[in-house]
Amino acid sequence: GAGVSQSPSNKVTEKGKDVELRCDPISGHTALYWYRQSLGQGLEFLIYFQGNSAPDKSGLPSDRFSAERTGGSVSTLTIQRTQQEDSAVYLCASSLGGSQPQHFGDGTRLSIL
Amino acid sequence: GQQVMQIPQYQHVQEGEDFTTYCNSSTTLSNIQWYKQRPGGHPVFLIQLVKSGEVKKQKRLTFQFGEAKKNSSLHITATQTTDVGTYFCAGPSSSNTGKLIFGQGTTLQVKP
Repeated sequence: GAGVSQSPSNKVTEKGKDVELRCDPISGHTALYWYRQSLGQGLEFLIYFQGNSAPDKSGLPSDRFSAERTGGSVSTLTIQRTQQEDSAVYLCASSLGGSQPQHFGDGTRLSIL
Repeated sequence: GQQVMQIPQYQHVQEGEDFTTYCNSSTTLSNIQWYKQRPGGHPVFLIQLVKSGEVKKQKRLTFQFGEAKKNSSLHITATQTTDVGTYFCAGPSSSNTGKLIFGQGTTLQVKP
């Protein structure tokens, strides 16, 4: 069956540009999570959606970061005015909700020049 | 705030040696989950433990959940090069938001 799909798989952009990252969760999964992982580091929680609402946005690093989820399915993470420190792998995960196991996508590797 | 800590951060072993990683939570957990991330890959769910003192085995991997439900361990017997990767434990946030709190991970290197 289809897993969590993320696009693009790689994104290279210039500092100051805006980027949009997309996550298509497993069908039927109501919970969706965004994480950031820098090279050799752990998982940094960014935001969590239950359905279309975001009960926990506590991990967004600054107001340049925003995310939305429409129709309880696809989510986009937007980073405005990108900075070099935004370079990382952005991982999306989905689950059946609660503290059910999370299924991760392959991630988007973002490089800011 | 709530924390989940793992030790060691890194472990290098000779193939065939055993390996253990430990996970400690600052709060009591309703369950503990373990994930494995291969180099260049994404985290993959391995197992969930729910009961106090629970022990589960997956081939050469043995997972334990502490009696107080605040700690857990993953033990690999006779490591193989396929065991290379980073092992993360994770527990539910005590704020009941549905979020998981991940440990920093233990990266295992296996020398053939």
